[in-house]
Amino acid sequence: ETGVTQTPRHLVMGMTNKKSLKCEQHLGHNAMYWYKQSAKKPLELMFVYNFKEQTENNSVPSRFSPECPNSSHLFLHLHTLQPEDSALYLCASSQRGQTGGKLFFGSGTQLSVL
Amino acid sequence: ILNVEQSPQSLHVQEGDSTNFTCSFPSSNFYALHWYRWETAKSPEALFVMTLNGDEKKKGRISATLNTKEGYSYLYIKGSQPEDSATYLCAFDYNQGGKLIFGQGTELSVKP
Repeated sequence: ETGVTQTPRHLVMGMTNKKSLKCEQHLGHNAMYWYKQSAKKPLELMFVYNFKEQTENNSVPSRFSPECPNSSHLFLHLHTLQPEDSALYLCASSQRGQTGGKLFFGSGTQLSVL
Repeated sequence: ILNVEQSPQSLHVQEGDSTNFTCSFPSSNFYALHWYRWETAKSPEALFVMTLNGDEKKKGRISATLNTKEGYSYLYIKGSQPEDSATYLCAFDYNQGGKLIFGQGTELSVKP
């Protein structure tokens, strides 16, 4: 398998549930990202990990908790979400240090919070 | 607040038409400008990454230009085909840290 894979593709959860999104990249990249796409809004950066270290938390509420156990895997743990958190969550990876390193995206998880 | 604007928001053209979109970004602290194509039910896919003022990139029928001094980039599609239907995103990289600021995208629909 190549590229960036995300699971699950779709997720419906209640506000009291705990769930996790998983992302895996098979490209040997050293940086991974979580982006959020809400309806009618631009892609919004949530978290950046470089060499497994979190280097950016873009003022994301604590009900979203990222985890990066190694440079190939990235998780987003979800807890007590709100209906307004319903969105498409995209994972991406890139090779930092490369001039203009482009992002490689996964297919996303479409999340619905009831 | 850093802002990236794309125009138009949507575009409907006939097969064979040539078209272009605009991306406007801050002219200071420029590092790179990215273009992505996002087809429905697929992942966004990188088209170009441009770093130098005056850069021109080409991939098949698609090309892009960059003006960092005035803060804009154009994406051109020559002879549009139905398979070009997608949302085209531009993103501004200002700190070399992968913190891309995305525009809202231009949704292109090409009718046969």
